Amino acid sequence: KAGVTQTPRYLIKTRGQQVTLSCSPISGHRSVSWYQQTPGQGLQFLFEYFSETQRNKGNFPGRFSGRQFSNSRSEMNVSTLELGDSALYLCASSQGQAGGHEKLFFGSGTQLSVL
Amino acid sequence: GESVGLHLPTLSVQEGDNSIINCAYSNSASDYFIWYKQESGKGPQFIIDIRSNMDKRQGQRVTVLLNKTVKHLSLQIAATQPGDSAVYFCAELPYNNNDMRFGAGTRLTVKP
Repeated sequence: KAGVTQTPRYLIKTRGQQVTLSCSPISGHRSVSWYQQTPGQGLQFLFEYFSETQRNKGNFPGRFSGRQFSNSRSEMNVSTLELGDSALYLCASSQGQAGGHEKLFFGSGTQLSVL
Repeated sequence: GESVGLHLPTLSVQEGDNSIINCAYSNSASDYFIWYKQESGKGPQFIIDIRSNMDKRQGQRVTVLLNKTVKHLSLQIAATQPGDSAVYFCAELPYNNNDMRFGAGTRLTVKP
């Protein structure tokens, strides 16, 4: 079974631009979560999608948004990029059973650099 | 506020020794905990999990201990190998919530 796939692997953008990152979950997984990882802040939860609906949201500004498609693939978008948005963006999938208690399976991430 | 944190940012051990990585959590509502390993250039990889109705769980060369009284979690790695060198994260999840929170991470270095 293929793992979680994230594209692209690396991205370089300039301040003010926007970016879209893509994630394909493990086949059969219906929940997709996004995390931002930086050396200073560690792994921070962005949001989680299940059945095309945002089910949980972290404490990030509205510039960070996401969506999920009917095939469970997910995208996240960051608008008006700032230097501080430079980070590794990780996608994780799980079956999405009610009540949580599921381990997350992570992709290798998209390394975003904002210049 | 509630948070998950790690006691030590770095840990260096000799190959063949046992490693112990610690984690403190403060959310008493958390009832599911996971340890992840992250190697350079890769996403976090699941190692072992434990539910709050247990205080110990063993895997292959790894053991997780949960002390709910002091809200402490530890990961023990037996006979540590060079391939165990990585950053280790603990994560917590409250019941009926899919917002998994991660600790800051501990970098384990295994010396040959």
